[in-house]
Amino acid sequence: EPEVTQTPSHQVTQMGQEVILRCVPISNHLYFYWYRQILGQKVEFLVSFYNNEISEKSEIFDDQFSVERPDGSNFTLKIRSTKLEDSAMYFCASRKRPGQHTGELFFGEGSRLTVL
Amino acid sequence: AQRVTQPEKLLSVFKGAPVELKCNYSYSGSPELFWYVQYSRQRLQLLLRHISRESIKGFTADLNKGETSFHLKKPFAQEEDSAMYYCALDSGGYQKVTFGTGTKLQVIP
Repeated sequence: EPEVTQTPSHQVTQMGQEVILRCVPISNHLYFYWYRQILGQKVEFLVSFYNNEISEKSEIFDDQFSVERPDGSNFTLKIRSTKLEDSAMYFCASRKRPGQHTGELFFGEGSRLTVL
Repeated sequence: AQRVTQPEKLLSVFKGAPVELKCNYSYSGSPELFWYVQYSRQRLQLLLRHISRESIKGFTADLNKGETSFHLKKPFAQEEDSAMYYCALDSGGYQKVTFGTGTKLQVIP
């Protein structure tokens, strides 16, 4: 069964460094998302992406964040200059399209980011 | 703005006891609601969706628009039900799916 895959599973970085988290969504999916979960807290929406552009972003997703789908398969999240508070588990998700019958989100296993 | 509230962070029940995980939502449009589950060391995955009115692993959830609730229920808890459960609201279109804070269900043998 196809799955969303994420790399790396864990990354440790110094504050101020750039980080790129990678995701390979399920191949026939059209909608892509990044969520994050700070330890012990809720799963928070960061950004949604459709038709090669951002369709919605949260207030967390400031100028330090960017997303890209450079080659039609990878979907990346870049944090330009990491802060301590960026430490979290980052989840990539994809789905075919919204709607009750088709709107199931398929999640990756997550990338744990630790900023020191 | 849409919001999903799960009032219980942790719910502990004995095996065989009934389970109810509460979820309330706030949304001005017509909501599409889901329950997702995360078992230990596994990824978040869909448990059930309100439109299908199905029972998955013995769990059911009924959308009550009057009370703006979508509680998850199971008559007899099993140990393998122990997991994190997230209620989620989909506003449709290109927009996000909003998750509640999650409830950790602990089934005591």
